[in-house]
Amino acid sequence: KAGVTQTPRYLIKTRGQQVTLSCSPISGHRSVSWYQQTPGQGLQFLFEYFSETQRNKGNFPGRFSGRQFSNSRSEMNVSTLELGDSALYLCASSLVGQGQVGETQYFGPGTRLLVL
Amino acid sequence: SQKIEQNSEALNIQEGKTATLTCNYTNYSPAYLQWYRQDPGRGPVFLLLIRENEKEKRKERLKVTFDTTLKQSLFHITASQPADSATYLCALLDTGRRALTFGSGTRLQVQP
Repeated sequence: KAGVTQTPRYLIKTRGQQVTLSCSPISGHRSVSWYQQTPGQGLQFLFEYFSETQRNKGNFPGRFSGRQFSNSRSEMNVSTLELGDSALYLCASSLVGQGQVGETQYFGPGTRLLVL
Repeated sequence: SQKIEQNSEALNIQEGKTATLTCNYTNYSPAYLQWYRQDPGRGPVFLLLIRENEKEKRKERLKVTFDTTLKQSLFHITASQPADSATYLCALLDTGRRALTFGSGTRLQVQP
């Protein structure tokens, strides 16, 4: 089975721009979660989508949004980029979601975003 | 406030020794705790899960313990190898919540 794929792998944007990141989960997985990873804050949960619905959300401003399509692929959008948004953005897929005990998440390689 | 603490300093050990990494948490009631490995430029890879009612879990050279009284999990790698060098993250699911919370990770360096 192919793993979780994320595109693009690297991205450079300037402040004020917006960006869309894409995640394709493992075939058959219906849950996709997004995380932001920075050296200072570590890995922080952004949101989780399951069957095209946002099921859970972390403590990030409304500039961060996402969606999931009927084929379980997911996109994450960040509007009005700030310097502090520079980070590694990771998505993870699982069969039914991280809230289930024993459920394993499979992470993609991430998209490294640099905001200048 | 809620905290998950892992030793931010790198752990350097000699090949063949046992590496022990610590994950302490405050103000959580974990339903379970997971350990992940992350290599530079890659996403985390799941290693082991231990439930709140389990004391110990093993998988090949890996062992995880979970002490809900001490609010601590220990992650052991026996007979360590240079290929074990990576950052190791612990993550827990708080009871009643639906999202994992991750620690900041500990970098392990195994010297040949």
